[in-house]
Amino acid sequence: GQNIDQPTEMTATEGAIVQINCTYQTSGFNGLFWYQQHAGEAPTFLSYNVLDGLEEKGRFSSFLSRSKGYSYLLLKELQMKDSASYLCAAMDSNYQLIWGAGTKLIIKP
Amino acid sequence: GAVVSQHPSRVICKSGTSVKIECRSLDFQATTMFWYRQFPKQSLMLMATSNEGSKATYEQGVEKDKFLINHASLTLSTLTVTSAHPEDSSFYICSARDPDRENTEAFFGQGTRLTVV
Repeated sequence: GQNIDQPTEMTATEGAIVQINCTYQTSGFNGLFWYQQHAGEAPTFLSYNVLDGLEEKGRFSSFLSRSKGYSYLLLKELQMKDSASYLCAAMDSNYQLIWGAGTKLIIKP
Repeated sequence: GAVVSQHPSRVICKSGTSVKIECRSLDFQATTMFWYRQFPKQSLMLMATSNEGSKATYEQGVEKDKFLINHASLTLSTLTVTSAHPEDSSFYICSARDPDRENTEAFFGQGTRLTVV
């Protein structure tokens, strides 16, 4: 079956770095997405990886290893506004997104 | 980037009434749109895939007669929750992908918070 695993909750300190991991199993693979979702709002796009390696975009970076079925989202210089849920989603061979349950990130001063 | 607009953002309705939610792609033609619901502290759950000009494809366990989907044009899909009950209270979100850019992000509407009283 298809499955996405990511931690339920993480806590980090303002100004620090945090890494949110995601493992996936899908029927075919057409890329891995990370979204940020604040409570009561729709998800917003953060990153897309389809090739192995690290993609850097400002304070956020995303990594993918296709052979391991593994990705992570790296957030640097954490700010209080980064407190949100971070959703990992893999696109299968039918171009359908398979969603993880999300990781709630709590930032403490 | 592409924009998907969803309306209304918030609705409160009485049990037994029907509610229509609209999802529009503003700067691209979406042959396929997706409808999700999300309960508090849970992930997005795909309800159905809306295909322009044909019947929607519903996920297992989603009642077709209760959640009516119409995708009458390349820029508009609607979800109607019929005979709503309190257990239908949830956050409903639509998304669409630009068909000319398949391996890219899914663009989301703002979401609709439905409360059935």
